Amino acid sequence: KNEVEQSPQNLTAQEGEFITINCSYSVGISALHWLQQHPGGGIVSLFMLSSGKKKHGRLIATINIQEKHSSLHITASHPRDSAVYICAVIGTYSGGSNYKLTFGKGTLLTVNP
Amino acid sequence: DAGVIQSPRHEVTEMGQEVTLRCKPISGHNSLFWYRQTMMRGLELLIYFNNNVPIDDSGMPEDRFSAKMPNASFSTLKIQPSEPRDSAVYFCASSLAGNYEQFFGPGTRLTVL
Repeated sequence: KNEVEQSPQNLTAQEGEFITINCSYSVGISALHWLQQHPGGGIVSLFMLSSGKKKHGRLIATINIQEKHSSLHITASHPRDSAVYICAVIGTYSGGSNYKLTFGKGTLLTVNP
Repeated sequence: DAGVIQSPRHEVTEMGQEVTLRCKPISGHNSLFWYRQTMMRGLELLIYFNNNVPIDDSGMPEDRFSAKMPNASFSTLKIQPSEPRDSAVYFCASSLAGNYEQFFGPGTRLTVL
């Protein structure tokens, strides 16, 4: 079982729809990243969070440490939001490796006009 | 800030040739990471440097891979000899030690024929 599970794997939406991507993890963590990767493109860090909620424009990320779950929401989705969204965690492993990211497999989002 | 800079952006080479990928981290960042991304395995950490010193190279696939960081503003990842299975996108990322957020470069797409 992967330490980081994302759902759904693929998501197709119409422009304007509200989008939710989920991430569940099985280890204790120090922090969680949401990353965005456009097809053939680089990786952009959207959020890093360890508790609560963060908002940037139309994007909102939440995390529930007790439930080991995070969600990424996109309000008023737009075709330019089409990308792969990757959840990654920094685990609190014994030995103190507080740098190693463990990645989910990503969610491919397609927003149609 | 220019962000993390990688070169070349694309590299096509023949099996057996030496390949050198280059990375310039964000100025002031003292942690540097090399990742490899493939369709089959997703993103994998190859090696992590802190203050120019390799801390964790457990992800380096085999002796054909080597990485150096001669100073705080430059790192190389070398593959010698290259093989077709090395074809992937290689990302460099940097961060401030003690700050979990990593910033990724645009990646180098390597194709080994």
